[in-house]
Amino acid sequence: GAGVSQTPSNKVTEKGKYVELRCDPISGHTALYWYRQSLGQGPEFLIYFQGTGAADDSGLPNDRFFAVRPEGSVSTLKIQRTERGDSAMYLCASSPTFGQGETQYFGPGTRLLVL
Amino acid sequence: AQKVTQAQTEISVVEKEDVTLDCVYETRDTTYYLFWYKQPPSGELVFLIRRNSFDEQNEISGRYSWNFQKSTSSFNFTITASQVVDSAVYFCALSGWGAGNKLTFGGGTRVLVKP
Repeated sequence: GAGVSQTPSNKVTEKGKYVELRCDPISGHTALYWYRQSLGQGPEFLIYFQGTGAADDSGLPNDRFFAVRPEGSVSTLKIQRTERGDSAMYLCASSPTFGQGETQYFGPGTRLLVL
Repeated sequence: AQKVTQAQTEISVVEKEDVTLDCVYETRDTTYYLFWYKQPPSGELVFLIRRNSFDEQNEISGRYSWNFQKSTSSFNFTITASQVVDSAVYFCALSGWGAGNKLTFGGGTRVLVKP
């Protein structure tokens, strides 16, 4: 079956602009996660959804970052007033349920470059 | 707090050599889960294995094997008879009961297999 998909694959924007990154999880997966990966580092957790609600948003770096999942499937990560430090790979993952220790399956990521 | 350390940043081997990747973790949880992911140059994280803290049996899958030792908080990964296609960055990750479902990743180990 289809895996996690993310669009766009690459996004170049200017400092101060608004961007939206989309994640389409594996069909039927109820849990969805966002991570950010800077060059040469491991991914860092941003936010996690159980269904439509954000169960844990402790990793969002500041209030410029926001994510939604209105129908419990597709999620959008929104970044306002982008800064050069936001440049990174943004990874989305999904898991079948939100049980502890569930395996997370990752998408190909969106590479964001803020000029 | 949870922490995962992958002390080796890069390993270079010649094809058919064995390579072992070290992973040391820290957690206060008695129930936790450990994972290994592979990230090829394309960028997508590929799931390799999941272990829970109560199962210390070593596991072998083809040319891959894993050694889990709770006494030393380590979960090492060995690739036997490496191939060029094994060239990638490998990440160890931890999900602790007390931290919800978020994964804490190590910094990754880049493996370069030369022909």
